Amino acid sequence: NAGVMQNPRHLVRRRGQEARLRCSPMKGHSHVYWYRQLPEEGLKFMVYLQKENIIDESGMPKERFSAEFPKEGPSILRIQQVVRGDSAAYFCASAQQGPQETQYFGPGTRLLVL
Amino acid sequence: QQQVKQSPQSLIVQKGGIPIINCAYENTAFDYFPWYQQFPGKGPALLIAIRPDVSEKKEGRFTISFNKSAKQFSLHIMDSQPGDSATYFCAAIQTTSGTYKYIFGTGTRLKVLA
Repeated sequence: NAGVMQNPRHLVRRRGQEARLRCSPMKGHSHVYWYRQLPEEGLKFMVYLQKENIIDESGMPKERFSAEFPKEGPSILRIQQVVRGDSAAYFCASAQQGPQETQYFGPGTRLLVL
Repeated sequence: QQQVKQSPQSLIVQKGGIPIINCAYENTAFDYFPWYQQFPGKGPALLIAIRPDVSEKKEGRFTISFNKSAKQFSLHIMDSQPGDSATYFCAAIQTTSGTYKYIFGTGTRLKVLA
């Protein structure tokens, strides 16, 4: 059973470009969480999604950031018009049934904005 | 009120020592407290977790102590090994229906000397 997969592992963008991060949850998992980790800091919750639904996006900036988890395919975290402050590691985690279940993390996407 | 304060920021112990990492929270609605281990370049991995109705939980060399009245919990690593060198994060989760809060501590960098 493959773990949580994220791609790309590294992404370099220039200011103003769009960044698109993908997360494929573990097989059988329908809950996906996105987190951001700045260097030397802990993880900050961004958004919690189930298939086709956003459950909680309270941690996600209201502008330029969006997330989706379609019925088919991976979850996507999209950052429009990136700025240098968006440089961070973005992790997704998946769970089988919800917040009380163990979350399994992917290896992360390291975004660098030049 | 949503913070989880983790200490120390870094810790160095000799092989066989017992590092202790502490976390404190304020929100009494948190009802699940996991610990994660993260190696450089990897995503966090769940180590052990506890619910507030239990004061202690052991899994192998890892023990969580939980003090509900003080709103504190700690991770102890018995007989620590160089392979335990990693960053450890505590987290506090509120899973009551209709809400979702998943707060991470800022992390503790542990180095176990051979």
